[in-house]
Amino acid sequence: EAGVAQSPRYKIIEKRQSVAFWCNPISGHATLYWYQQILGQGPKLLIQFQNNGVVDDSQLPKDRFSAERLKGVDSTLKIQPAKLEDSAVYLCASSSVGDNEQFFGPGTRLTVL
Amino acid sequence: QKEVEQDPGPLSVPEGAIVSLNCTYSNSAFQYFMWYRQYSRKGPELLMYTYSSGNKEDGRFTAQVDKSSKYISLFIRDSQPSDSATYLCAMNIPNTGNQFYFGTGTSLTVIP
Repeated sequence: EAGVAQSPRYKIIEKRQSVAFWCNPISGHATLYWYQQILGQGPKLLIQFQNNGVVDDSQLPKDRFSAERLKGVDSTLKIQPAKLEDSAVYLCASSSVGDNEQFFGPGTRLTVL
Repeated sequence: QKEVEQDPGPLSVPEGAIVSLNCTYSNSAFQYFMWYRQYSRKGPELLMYTYSSGNKEDGRFTAQVDKSSKYISLFIRDSQPSDSATYLCAMNIPNTGNQFYFGTGTSLTVIP
């Protein structure tokens, strides 16, 4: 079974630039999550999708972050404009509906200079 | 107060030692409790999960949940250098959209 795929693995940008991350969940997983993990901290949920609908985006900074999952499969997370404090690893995870196990991708490490 | 508290360590032990990792939490509605292992520059992977109170054993790993004290533990017996990683506890409330609440993670190094 293929795992959760993410790209790019690393990204370095300057503040005020924009950036986008891509995630392909495990085939058949209806639920997709984006997390932000700042160095030395646990993952913080940014947004949760079930199919192409948003279940929870209460912690997504909507003035600069956006995410979509148009066809209920792949998802993109965008930051525009980026701030220094956005430097973190952005993790994508997926799960079957009602399953307590979330499978994580390798993450995208973002550095904002 | 954070929902989930976890000592960040770092924790360094000799090979073969018994390791105890712990988390406390404040929300009594949490019912599922999980431990994830995260190697450097990798995503977290699920190690164990338990439902409500009690113990669960899997090989060298034992997870304990004490809901009366709002305290969970992960024990690693006969620790190996390959156990060197960050261990994250996570928990959630059933039937609420499956949002996980993570601890900050404990960094463990097992010295050969």
